[in-house]
Amino acid sequence: AQKVTQAQTEISVVEKEDVTLDCVYETRDTTYYLFWYKQPPSGELVFLIRRNSFDEQNEISGRYSWNFQKSTSSFNFTITASQVVDSAVYFCALTPAGGTSYGKLTFGQGTILTVHP
Amino acid sequence: EPEVTQTPSHQVTQMGQEVILRCVPISNHLYFYWYRQILGQKVEFLVSFYNNEISEKSEIFDDQFSVERPDGSNFTLKIRSTKLEDSAMYFCASSGSSGGARTGELFFGEGSRLTVL
Repeated sequence: AQKVTQAQTEISVVEKEDVTLDCVYETRDTTYYLFWYKQPPSGELVFLIRRNSFDEQNEISGRYSWNFQKSTSSFNFTITASQVVDSAVYFCALTPAGGTSYGKLTFGQGTILTVHP
Repeated sequence: EPEVTQTPSHQVTQMGQEVILRCVPISNHLYFYWYRQILGQKVEFLVSFYNNEISEKSEIFDDQFSVERPDGSNFTLKIRSTKLEDSAMYFCASSGSSGGARTGELFFGEGSRLTVL
């Protein structure tokens, strides 16, 4: 069974602050993929990143960066210099890599991020 | 940028009625999914579909649910006799191949909100 835990239910920051959203996962699969999605107030799920379990390199995309640590089963997401438009619910998700199970995402409970002006 | 589109955006129905939610996946994608999100809760996997067959389904996806790809572009979710607890946001998603494997990025549509009265 797979499990994704996002222990931070809500985070509130002031614009320009850096913020890190935590994600810890459990899986028995040897290969898997991790995802982050953003859900703005309008409700859609916006793809942010997909990471293969073999690839532990950190990734940076503009103000976003991700820290994947297989040893601690964590895939944390940092927003640098946060902006009001970053206010959303952020979901971490996990899927097995193999066979027909790919795409069967297990989501965390989500972290509500509010960025105040 | 290609996107997954869903209709209707919101449907209100009476308990016991049949509902069909429609999705147009990204055109070159081969793998299709339905997820649901009950208000304020996490996103849950319902079913995955490939080559005109269900690949995987969750415990939620009981006999009241069915999926179909009636033509080359649409992917539908039918709920045969809706219950109050079916009220949720339903998300369609699609993914393509990556390096010949079914491990492409998974993109979601904007969701169809179903309200059962």
